[in-house]
Amino acid sequence: GDSVTQMEGPVTLSEEAFLTINCTYTATGYPSLFWYVQYPGEGLQLLLKATKADDKGSNKGFEATYRKETTSFHLEKGSVQVSDSAVYFCAQVFHGSGNTGKLIFGQGTTLQVKP
Amino acid sequence: KAGVTQTPRYLIKTRGQQVTLSCSPISGHRSVSWYQQTPGQGLQFLFEYFSETQRNKGNFPGRFSGRQFSNSRSEMNVSTLELGDSALYLCASSLVPGQGTSTGELFFGEGSRLTVL
Repeated sequence: GDSVTQMEGPVTLSEEAFLTINCTYTATGYPSLFWYVQYPGEGLQLLLKATKADDKGSNKGFEATYRKETTSFHLEKGSVQVSDSAVYFCAQVFHGSGNTGKLIFGQGTTLQVKP
Repeated sequence: KAGVTQTPRYLIKTRGQQVTLSCSPISGHRSVSWYQQTPGQGLQFLFEYFSETQRNKGNFPGRFSGRQFSNSRSEMNVSTLELGDSALYLCASSLVPGQGTSTGELFFGEGSRLTVL
């Protein structure tokens, strides 16, 4: 069935380091892809999205490109800050097919940034 | 624009009791979904409602139920609580296909943290 796989965490980086969190998906078609972020004690916030192949989503210095050929949507940031410490979730949905509201999430990757 | 509001934020129950959680979606959003988040199982889809009808359902026992009202507000209920029901319950709202610029993203509330003793 459809699924999302993220790299295992936790990921520990020093401030200003480069970040990559890998995400791959399996799907029978072309889903919309998302990255969500969850700060301690809070719900999920949409970080960025891409709805078709080669789309690049970006927000707050984070970027991810929808790669159909490798079924990937890796999250990157050039220079992380302590405030980026959180759990990051990759997710997919087939919007418009009756699956509205049913996102398939990866297991989450914890990022810890040290000063 | 107000976000998704969930009440209560925290609650403690004992085994065998029941609980009702409430969710108010973003104004104009007609779809409401519920998720359970636990350290072991991650984020699991419970169900989704649109136009007061359950449209999708996850793989949870019948003790988990929900409903949606005509103003799109939603409630979920868990009966005969078990220790394993301790979790963060997240509500999310969204536009539906064809509504505005909908592209499938969900907007989450801060969750209701349920502890079952």
